[in-house]
This record gives sequence, structure tokens and C-alpha cells, in this order.
Amino acid sequence: AQRVTQPEKLLSVFKGAPVELKCNYSYSGSPELFWYVQYSRQRLQLLLRHISRESIKGFTADLNKGETSFHLKKPFAQEEDSAMYYCALTGSGSARQLTFGSGTQLTVLP
Amino acid sequence: ETGVTQSPTHLIKTRGQQVTLRCSSQSGHNTVSWYQQALGQGPQFIFQYYREEENGRGNFPPRFSGLQFPNYSSELNVNALELDDSALYLCASSLQGVDTQYFGPGTRLTVL
Repeated sequence: AQRVTQPEKLLSVFKGAPVELKCNYSYSGSPELFWYVQYSRQRLQLLLRHISRESIKGFTADLNKGETSFHLKKPFAQEEDSAMYYCALTGSGSARQLTFGSGTQLTVLP
Repeated sequence: ETGVTQSPTHLIKTRGQQVTLRCSSQSGHNTVSWYQQALGQGPQFIFQYYREEENGRGNFPPRFSGLQFPNYSSELNVNALELDDSALYLCASSLQGVDTQYFGPGTRLTVL
């Protein structure tokens, strides 16, 4: 069974401080990992995916297969980063459905 | 290019009733997935439709059913509504074989 765990429901940091949102997963194969973000009153949208190895809005995420983690990081948080962040994975099923974690609400304080 | 749209925005039903939710996929996308998001939880996969057929299903009972139409739009039907069906229902479209899914704004269903 595939599972995604985000241990922090709430996370607050000050503007300019580094931020790390934790994500651990369990999957018996080679999953694809994603971070989705939902800003206030907006729809869920893709932030980044590990296979593309991009940096989006200053965020990066490294897949650590040994620790089965895919933590999201940003060196200097901005107030506009305040949002709900979901870590997700797809496995090898034909539907390639997303399995989501329960989300972390990030608040960046001025 | 239009994004994923869903209707209605909000819906209130009573226990035992039936409901139909609708989704129009993003232009060019041939696959539609439905998710249920309960309050304080991440979205949970219900099922996916591709070429008008169910292409995968999560851990939801048969009273959750769906359709996909030739224009790739889709419906989610829920029969015999229960209080626990109260949730945000999300539709996501994609191209078959491509993992990136694009979400609609959701339909908020309240079951009284």
C-alpha cells in the first residue's frame, strides 16, 4: 500500500527565515513524488515534481530514497508563500492516481 | 486554453438522496480523476476515467459511480448519501500516461 505522511499540520516561520516542510512516504516500488500547493481561495496546483528537478518560486525538494523522504525547502520564506502544501505520490497502477498526505498549513509571519 | 471547471460550486442534500457532480476537463486532456477531500485531510482518490471507461478505483463503495463523455467531460454520481459523504469533491484532468494532473475548484457537498 502507498502512503504519504506529513507530520506537521501547522508550521509558522518569519519572513526571510528558511522553511522546510517534511514529507515521508511508503511505497514498494519507485514512486513519482510531487508537491501541490493551495493558496487561499485558489485551486490546488502543482508546485513541483521530483523528476523535473526544477526550482519553483525558490522551492526545491530532494528525493531521499534511503529515508523515503521528499522534504520541501526554501532558504528565505516570503509572506506570499503562506498556503496549504500537500505532498503526493503516484505509483505504478494504470490510473497513476495521486496519493496525498494530509497537508501542512504554512504561515509566513511579517 | 480553458482550465478544469466543476459544477455546482456548493450543494446541500439530505441523507439517502442522490447527487450528480459535473466536471469539464482542461482543453486537450483525455483523462479525468475524481478525489474526495474531507475537512482537514488530503484528497483521496475515488476513480479515474479514460476513453469513457473506469481506469482505476480507490477504496470507495459502488454507490460512488461515474461517467465520461466523448468530449472528455465527466460526472460523479453518489447514491444513498451518508453524512460522511460531506466533503469537497475535486476533479482533475490529465493526459493518459502523463502524471501531472490539473485540478478544478471543487464542489462542496454537505449532507444533512
